[in-house]
Amino acid sequence: QQQVKQSPQSLIVQKGGISIINCAYENTAFDYFPWYQQFPGKGPALLIAIRPDVSEKKEGRFTISFNKSAKQFSLHIMDSQPGDSATYFCAGLSGGGADGLTFGKGTHLIIQP
Amino acid sequence: DAGITQSPRHKVTETGTPVTLRCHQTENHRYMYWYRQDPGHGLRLIHYSYGVKDTDKGEVSDGYSVSRSKTEDFLLTLESATSSQTSVYFCAISRELSNYGYTFGSGTRLTVV
Repeated sequence: QQQVKQSPQSLIVQKGGISIINCAYENTAFDYFPWYQQFPGKGPALLIAIRPDVSEKKEGRFTISFNKSAKQFSLHIMDSQPGDSATYFCAGLSGGGADGLTFGKGTHLIIQP
Repeated sequence: DAGITQSPRHKVTETGTPVTLRCHQTENHRYMYWYRQDPGHGLRLIHYSYGVKDTDKGEVSDGYSVSRSKTEDFLLTLESATSSQTSVYFCAISRELSNYGYTFGSGTRLTVV
């Protein structure tokens, strides 16, 4: 059972544009939603995260929007740069955390110069 | 990645042979995780540990076993490797159970021929 559905699977955006990646979750016990960025040959690295008591969190060019009633959250990358080209994973974590992070399947983002 | 090392980085093995992957941390974190990453599946939890000699199964634990005899080392063993276990394996660590600050290693690319 996939508890976090991520879309699109791949995305091509022009330099300077806005990249948007969407995730939907099923497990209402999730209380923490991180996004990870992964470059080829590297492990995932935490990019930004949000808790469900806020609707938006912004860090530089990266923004998470969270809709608790719809059980959806999204990552927006403003002024996308070629260096942002990577694979992005959304994830959910419940307070107990015993099952570890539950990841979406990932989005391969390419920023064209 | 600082504080967490996986070995080997690459391995090719034959079907039916045992394989052990090692994760070593210098952060003294209590929680350690093994994930596998496959195209189209994202990252899936294999096993995790919440202390020395304390381990539990994740989503895709069949065919894998783990051991943790020291805080700093978490071993993943494929008792009899199969082609379906060809994957990239990532170890992750976290200080607290519900702490979002998972740190991932750089991964081990395992090919079973």
